[in-house]
Amino acid sequence: DVKVTQSSRYLVKRTGEKVFLECVQDMDHENMFWYRQDPGLGLRLIYFSYDVKMKEKGDIPEGYSVSREKKERFSLILESASTNQTSMYLCASSSGQSSGNTIYFGEGSWLTVV
Amino acid sequence: QKEVEQNSGPLSVPEGAIASLNCTYSDRGSQSFFWYRQYSGKSPELIMSIYSNGDKEDGRFTAQLNKASQYVSLLIRDSQPSDSATYLCAAPGGSNDYKLSFGAGTTVTVRA
Repeated sequence: DVKVTQSSRYLVKRTGEKVFLECVQDMDHENMFWYRQDPGLGLRLIYFSYDVKMKEKGDIPEGYSVSREKKERFSLILESASTNQTSMYLCASSSGQSSGNTIYFGEGSWLTVV
Repeated sequence: QKEVEQNSGPLSVPEGAIASLNCTYSDRGSQSFFWYRQYSGKSPELIMSIYSNGDKEDGRFTAQLNKASQYVSLLIRDSQPSDSATYLCAAPGGSNDYKLSFGAGTTVTVRA
């Protein structure tokens, strides 16, 4: 069974704090993604990675960075959290380079920045 | 123009009725399309994928694709209260693009 695990489900952080969101997948997928989801705005792509140590910006990368040191792990980093980064963050993965490959999501991380 | 757009919701249907959801996409090069279901407070889960023009049926769900008109739809037949959720349409940014763009979603409520 496909498994994408986000270790932190609910976090409350203070403005200016550095925040790490971790994601691990066990399907040996090449591609990993970080999305955020906000009411009325749908899912928006923050960053993605198609290989170890490779990363590319998505639609809304400002204020975020990522790290992929191992194939199975993709971390999202908020260098200095701000209240407008309060959101649900979804990690996802998929295999290969075909546009027909399914993207599988983790359970989500709810981040509140106060 | 957004890459993937869904018809505005929310959509309320009585139990047993057909729920019809529509989605349009902007990139003519897109070859594959996905419908995800998302229950409140949960993450999206794939329910249908479609790659060819025409209809694809899976149980009570039917996906319809019309590449000439650049739309994809989802029909839910014999709607059940358990179908109450937000449905997300997704498509790649291009024919070789494995990143998905998502519509804002249509929230469906099935009234018992």
